[in-house]
Amino acid sequence: QSALTQPASVSGSPGQSITISCTGTNSDVGAYNYVSWYQQHPGKAPKLMIYDVSDRPSGVSNRFSGSKSGSTASLTISGLQAEDEADYYCSSYTTSTTPWVFGGGTKLTVL
Amino acid sequence: QVQLVQSGAEVKKPGASVKVSCKASGYTFTGYYMHWVRQAPGQGLEWMGWINPNSGDTKYAQKFRGRVTMTRDTSISTVYMELSRLTSEDTAVYYCAKSVLPDLAAAGLDYWGQGTLVTVSS
Repeated sequence: QSALTQPASVSGSPGQSITISCTGTNSDVGAYNYVSWYQQHPGKAPKLMIYDVSDRPSGVSNRFSGSKSGSTASLTISGLQAEDEADYYCSSYTTSTTPWVFGGGTKLTVL
Repeated sequence: QVQLVQSGAEVKKPGASVKVSCKASGYTFTGYYMHWVRQAPGQGLEWMGWINPNSGDTKYAQKFRGRVTMTRDTSISTVYMELSRLTSEDTAVYYCAKSVLPDLAAAGLDYWGQGTLVTVSS
């Protein structure tokens, strides 16, 4: 069982906005601003989309944004495009003896 | 440009060990933590641990302690992940991934290796 909880799937139509949630505890998401998000297409390595809750690496579209409220982080994708269809994973630094955890992943379908 | 190039696929028998390498280029090798993450077939990402290439200090996930060893060779900008006492549940793609910020393990992972498939089968 993953330490961070994500919905198994979300969907949206091209041009719409969707939000993927990532729920943790006050030992991980709620304790640090070290939440990151990854996009993974089938058969490919993950790609960093957001780090430190809301920072975008160079080259990542500004259609991707991150936020956090309490122990829940969120990834919002605006202006949905076909190429956004992928699996998305959140991760967080934690206070536990295993200091880094991933969410279970969310499959995004663009209708 | 930053590149992480991993060693090739491995097939191992249960009980054996595997050592995967990850050669870095295009940045200051000793300036950024390197993490190892694995993904079993059809499953999600699982964090295994990190190594500070400058000091050699490591931190492992509780699940793998006693079975995993991460090392580095700064002369060739390469990190290694060795996993022992393999079982079929260790069949997965293993990735190395570099921390996005210098001298900080806790931020995101911005560059990933291409992955190494390790198959454990009798």
